Amino acid sequence: QKEVEQDPGPLSVPEGAIVSLNCTYSNSAFQYFMWYRQYSRKGPELLMYTYSSGNKEDGRFTAQVDKSSKYISLFIRDSQPSDSATYLCAMSAGGGSNYKLTFGKGTLLTVNP
Amino acid sequence: DAGITQSPRHKVTETGTPVTLRCHQTENHRYMYWYRQDPGHGLRLIHYSYGVKDTDKGEVSDGYSVSRSKTEDFLLTLESATSSQTSVYFCAITRGGNTIYFGEGSWLTVV
Repeated sequence: QKEVEQDPGPLSVPEGAIVSLNCTYSNSAFQYFMWYRQYSRKGPELLMYTYSSGNKEDGRFTAQVDKSSKYISLFIRDSQPSDSATYLCAMSAGGGSNYKLTFGKGTLLTVNP
Repeated sequence: DAGITQSPRHKVTETGTPVTLRCHQTENHRYMYWYRQDPGHGLRLIHYSYGVKDTDKGEVSDGYSVSRSKTEDFLLTLESATSSQTSVYFCAITRGGNTIYFGEGSWLTVV
């Protein structure tokens, strides 16, 4: 079993839809959870950062972490064509050399006008 | 802008030649990383550094070496490039609170 599993999609939705993106993981040491957005031929851009379990909201984006189920989610409300990108989940155990991240393979999202 | 500059941004090189990619940061952060990104594999850690002259291997370090003689520069060297090293290479830094930020990438093609 891979440490981080992410459905690669592709996912295509109409503008204004609610988008749900998910990752599962197997390493119970992970405590820091991130979502990155990557546009084509660009570097990953940090979108959301969460420590341990719970929810975090930032504008149209909500990140959820359920450590008991080893499951994390990113919700995008009122999706826009500019949200079309690849979304990467990432996680780490934190502290010292454990800053290094383990990534999911990414989900390609297209929001159609 | 994460304050990271990668160079070169694009390079085509021949099999067997040495290649060095440079990552320069302007913010004096301790931790720096090199990742590669490939279809079907996602982002994978090659090497990382936790200070000047302090480096360690990641999950795909074979065929790569790194050096960090100054806080601001982290160099990735392919001693003898192979076609399997054709990839996009991203440098990253850790800012406060375990947040990691990436550069814009270096596209390397080995022919």
